[in-house]
Amino acid sequence: QKEVEQDPGPLSVPEGAIVSLNCTYSNSAFQYFMWYRQYSRKGPELLMYTYSSGNKEDGRFTAQVDKSSKYISLFIRDSQPSDSATYLCATASGGSYIPTFGRGTSLIVHP
Amino acid sequence: DAGITQSPRYKITETGRQVTLMCHQTWSHSYMFWYRQDLGHGLRLIYYSAAADITDKGEVPDGYVVSRSKTENFPLTLESATRSQTSVYFCASRGSPSTDTQYFGPGTRLTVL
Repeated sequence: QKEVEQDPGPLSVPEGAIVSLNCTYSNSAFQYFMWYRQYSRKGPELLMYTYSSGNKEDGRFTAQVDKSSKYISLFIRDSQPSDSATYLCATASGGSYIPTFGRGTSLIVHP
Repeated sequence: DAGITQSPRYKITETGRQVTLMCHQTWSHSYMFWYRQDLGHGLRLIYYSAAADITDKGEVPDGYVVSRSKTENFPLTLESATRSQTSVYFCASRGSPSTDTQYFGPGTRLTVL
């Protein structure tokens, strides 16, 4: 079992929909939680970064961490076709700070 | 150009050949990483380096060699390429461990025939 589990999708939604992307993790030592966005044939880019539990909002994106259930989420409001990409969750412990990645979820937002 | 670059972007080689993938960053970041990305596995860490002349194994180091004689360069060598090493390879760099963003290069698509 991977330390970070993520449904690969694809997840297909209409433009304007609210998207929910989720990951679970197994290592309770993880304290740092990240979401990366990766467009086709490009390198991943950091989208959201949170420490410990709680919510963090940035424009249309909200990252949510529930350490009690080891569950992390990314919500995208008013989704756009330009949001079509693969979204990777990642977690890291305070010791190494080296992220462990999920497999990524492919998101398709159709007009 | 500022940033992180990888070369070559595409490479086709044959089983048993030695291949070196290059990574260069202009930020003087301390940390550098090599990942491979495969369908069904996501990003897996091969090797990382905390500073020049300091390297350590990641999740899948077998068959790979790295070196870091200069802060800005982190080459990855496949000493004797195998078909299972066909993948997309990403280099990344980061400044301080806990606060800085990890920046990824554009990737090298390697095919081993």
